[in-house]
Amino acid sequence: EVHLVESGGGLVKPGGSLRLSCVASGFTFRSYSMNWVRQAPGKGLEWVSTFSGNGIMYYADSVKGRLTISRDDAKTSVYLQMDSLRVEDTAIYYCVRDNSVYDSEGRRYYYMDVWGKGTTVAVSS
Amino acid sequence: SYVLTQSPSVSVAPGQTATITCGTNNIGTKSVHWFQQKPGQAPVLVVYHENDRPSGIPERFSGSKSGNTATLIITRVEAGDEADYYCQVWDGTNDHPWVFGGGTKVTVL
Repeated sequence: EVHLVESGGGLVKPGGSLRLSCVASGFTFRSYSMNWVRQAPGKGLEWVSTFSGNGIMYYADSVKGRLTISRDDAKTSVYLQMDSLRVEDTAIYYCVRDNSVYDSEGRRYYYMDVWGKGTTVAVSS
Repeated sequence: SYVLTQSPSVSVAPGQTATITCGTNNIGTKSVHWFQQKPGQAPVLVVYHENDRPSGIPERFSGSKSGNTATLIITRVEAGDEADYYCQVWDGTNDHPWVFGGGTKVTVL
């Protein structure tokens, strides 16, 4: 069975740092792009970052330059280094797997199919 | 970047059909997915690439797309369908490939 388990959340002061981890199991990790998605209290879902299968990293404008995604395929893990944290970074952070499908014309499309339970980050003085 | 617009709430009686919309310009060129999120739980994929369902998702959940609007349709609504529903778009031509809609709260009366 496919599982994603996040850890590393906690309470941190503004300007501080945290490192989130996500351990994957039940699938060939190196074959998949991985994402971080967050949800602030009472708010909707917000895409944060993607580590694509071809090694390209993407970031939302709200986190670019402060959050860094990385992965270790040998440890089937993806990480989110969070620096210069702000109050508005307070959220549940979900680790999410990308999957893909081909249409009838051979074009490839991606979708997020497996989510972890999330880890909570609180930024407050 | 672009914005996906969802109506904040939909109310539906058990056994009836719930319709949840998601709008943006040129949505016809993008791949649209839908997630269900119940309180205190992680989101669950219910429809991907317009109208495909993951294993385990009932046939009552379906999707469509027309013009600038994508739609999630839930037929024969049950009490257990009460949740927040989010649309999402993947755009491989963009360096911000993922965008979520603001979410729609579905209330079963």
